[in-house]
Amino acid sequence: TQLLEQSPQFLSIQEGENLTVYCNSSSVFSSLQWYRQEPGEGPVLLVTVVTGGEVKKLKRLTFQFGDARKDSSLHITAAQPGDTGLYLCAGVGYGQNFVFGPGTRLSVLP
Amino acid sequence: DVKVTQSSRYLVKRTGEKVFLECVQDMDHENMFWYRQDPGLGLRLIYFSYDVKMKEKGDIPEGYSVSREKKERFSLILESASTNQTSMYLCASSFGAGGLYEQYFGPGTRLTVT
Repeated sequence: TQLLEQSPQFLSIQEGENLTVYCNSSSVFSSLQWYRQEPGEGPVLLVTVVTGGEVKKLKRLTFQFGDARKDSSLHITAAQPGDTGLYLCAGVGYGQNFVFGPGTRLSVLP
Repeated sequence: DVKVTQSSRYLVKRTGEKVFLECVQDMDHENMFWYRQDPGLGLRLIYFSYDVKMKEKGDIPEGYSVSREKKERFSLILESASTNQTSMYLCASSFGAGGLYEQYFGPGTRLTVT
């Protein structure tokens, strides 16, 4: 069974700070997705990374896929209250099924 | 604007009741999924469907069944609800299979079984 771990589980920071959250596995994935989920809503896709070592930027968010395709990180620069939410990583195995991590709950205080 | 809707946002049922959760998507997607979300466990796949009348078990199908009679509609059925099925249930759809395709999620149904 493929498992994804995310750290930290909870993160509370002040507006303007930088942060990094991590998604780790002992399994290799064909691709990895990051979603953000706001209270009372379903997750919304932020990015998909496919190639080992790939870096993608989405405004203040930077996503990296590990060289070995087993881990990923999400870095947020100058966090804002609108970044508050649950960040989920989802790995896609070669069997095409998604495996979701437990999430990092981020709170950005004004 | 793409949309996945779920029949109820909140539902309270008694142990032993039969429960139906409905999901409708308006994007003509082939694939539909049912997950449950529990704190600290992330999303766990219950069942998915790649076509009308087709279904595949996910990681935790026990105690659940599904029905897909029309392309846009995917129903999750709890034959006899139990307290350990209290959870947030999320439906999703996607155009293709695998990780290159975005999953679009509904807002979720928070089910409480008493």
